[in-house]
Amino acid sequence: GDSVTQMEGPVTLSEEAFLTINCTYTATGYPSLFWYVQYPGEGLQLLLKATKADDKGSNKGFEATYRKETTSFHLEKGSVQVSDSAVYFCALRSGGTSYGKLTFGQGTILTVHP
Amino acid sequence: NAGVTQTPKFQVLKTGQSMTLQCAQDMNHEYMSWYRQDPGMGLRLIHYSVGAGITDQGEVPNGYNVSRSTTEDFPLRLLSAAPSQTSVYFCASSYSTKRVGYNEQFFGPGTRLTVL
Repeated sequence: GDSVTQMEGPVTLSEEAFLTINCTYTATGYPSLFWYVQYPGEGLQLLLKATKADDKGSNKGFEATYRKETTSFHLEKGSVQVSDSAVYFCALRSGGTSYGKLTFGQGTILTVHP
Repeated sequence: NAGVTQTPKFQVLKTGQSMTLQCAQDMNHEYMSWYRQDPGMGLRLIHYSVGAGITDQGEVPNGYNVSRSTTEDFPLRLLSAAPSQTSVYFCASSYSTKRVGYNEQFFGPGTRLTVL
């Protein structure tokens, strides 16, 4: 079945540091890939997405590239801010999956210090 | 638009009690779903619905019931609460993927449930 694996957390960085959160997946067909962010006390929000191989999703300074050859979708940001502290989830929707069913990774807690 | 709303925000139950978690959306979305979030396990799909009168099981449906009598509402019922159901529950909604392109799922703020 489908699965998503994220790097173990938590991740602690200083402001303006470079961020990478690794995500790899297993899926049938050609899945769509997503990063969601959950700020403290809130629900999940879509951060960025990519729907086919070599697509790059980007939003709020975050980027991720859909790499079919390595089945990866790593999240990167060049300079993090304290306000980026949150839990980040990688997710996929299989090409053959109907409607909106998503498979999530376990989440990575990011803490950014001033 | 209020988006996706969930009530209550917090709930404590004793083992064996029943209760209903409420979820409502005002975006006229066809698709609604319930997830539970547990530490180190991400979100797991409990039940979902593709329209009024239509529901189906997700990955972890045991111990939960759902119904969808209207487009707006999708309540989740715990029949006989167990400590293993202690979790944070999220409701989400989106347009059907029969529409063109990917339809973003919108999540509610969550309900934190503790079963003693």
